[in-house]
Amino acid sequence: GQSLEQPSEVTAVEGAIVQINCTYQTSGFYGLSWYQQHDGGAPTFLSYNALDGLEETGRFSSFLSRSDSYGYLLLQELQMKDSASYFCAVGAAGNKLTFGGGTRVLVKP
Amino acid sequence: DADVTQTPRNRITKTGKRIMLECSQTKGHDRMYWYRQDPGLGLRLIYYSFDVKDINKGEISDGYSVSRQAQAKFSLSLESAIPNQTALYFCATSDSPGGETQYFGPGTRLLVL
Repeated sequence: GQSLEQPSEVTAVEGAIVQINCTYQTSGFYGLSWYQQHDGGAPTFLSYNALDGLEETGRFSSFLSRSDSYGYLLLQELQMKDSASYFCAVGAAGNKLTFGGGTRVLVKP
Repeated sequence: DADVTQTPRNRITKTGKRIMLECSQTKGHDRMYWYRQDPGLGLRLIYYSFDVKDINKGEISDGYSVSRQAQAKFSLSLESAIPNQTALYFCATSDSPGGETQYFGPGTRLLVL
């Protein structure tokens, strides 16, 4: 089966940088996805890493190290609207995702 | 119009009742998924389908059944609802090879009394 570990909560101030780590155990690993979910909303896709390295999309970046079974999501220049839960998810055999428990990010003024 | 819609958005039912949650999509995707989310927790996969003839169980399928009536429609049924099925239910679609990019509906909040 698959299992993922990510911190439950992170607090930071506007303008700061936050890194959300995700470690996973899985068989047949395909890649690591990240999703954002605001309170009361649906998850929305942020990024995907299939290969080692850093993927940058605006203020958000995602990193993967397959050899370490580890990835992270980097949120830069934090804004109040970034207050949300962030989920890592591993893709494996069967073309489906297994989600982590989520990291709640609270951005303070 | 939303690409992935779910009905109803909220539902209160009693223990033992049969209920159906519906999902429709206009994205033209073959892959559709049903998830359950409990407060403060991540999403757990209930069932998924790659086309109308391909239905697969997820990690928590007991107590649930599904029907893929067409490419665009995927319904989730609770045959005999119980209180621990109280949760937020999401439908999702995907056209990415490994299902890594999924598009979620707005969710159905279900309360079983």
